[in-house]
Amino acid sequence: GAVVSQHPSWVICKSGTSVKIECRSLDFQATTMFWYRQFPKQSLMLMATSNEGSKATYEQGVEKDKFLINHASLTLSTLTVTSAHPEDSSFYICSAPLSTGLYGYTFGSGTRLTVV
Amino acid sequence: SQQGEEDPQALSIQEGENATMNCSYKTSINNLQWYRQNSGRGLVHLILIRSNEREKHSGRLRVTLDTSKKSSSLLITASRAADTASYFCATDAAGNQFYFGTGTSLTVIP
Repeated sequence: GAVVSQHPSWVICKSGTSVKIECRSLDFQATTMFWYRQFPKQSLMLMATSNEGSKATYEQGVEKDKFLINHASLTLSTLTVTSAHPEDSSFYICSAPLSTGLYGYTFGSGTRLTVV
Repeated sequence: SQQGEEDPQALSIQEGENATMNCSYKTSINNLQWYRQNSGRGLVHLILIRSNEREKHSGRLRVTLDTSKKSSSLLITASRAADTASYFCATDAAGNQFYFGTGTSLTVIP
């Protein structure tokens, strides 16, 4: 079935550095990718929607210059957390709609980011 | 906000009992989906119910949808310890974008 491979599964970085998270669609083309973050004991919150070949759409309150999203191909979307700070520590998950004609979504396995 | 809300926020039951979780939302939807999330893991899609459906079954799962009340319920019958997880409803209002509820944390005690 449709799988989204997300890497890395966890990362620890120093304050001020940048971290890139990748989501690759396997066996299908993902023209759209959703990026979520989840703080402990809270629901997933949609951060942005990336569309292949165009600029990402960010949800209100999400800093586009801080969370850079690139969707350069039909199988790869990346989220770069720039100049990370401890408050950016969170669980980030990507999600792509299933293939045309199917309902539902497939999710990456998530990335646990810890900024120290 | 379109975000849905689940209740209860936390539920603890004995193995073998049934677990019922409710979800309310605010706007008209195309469909509503239920997901489970094991601690620190990605979401797993459980079941989707369309706006013109009232009830749907999948194994031990039963989902109902009442669009007049803008609410849905997820029933897990004969619960098992492995069902321990957080459960989220997600509403799909338009065009492949959806919003998660706050989630219900279910603990099934062996």
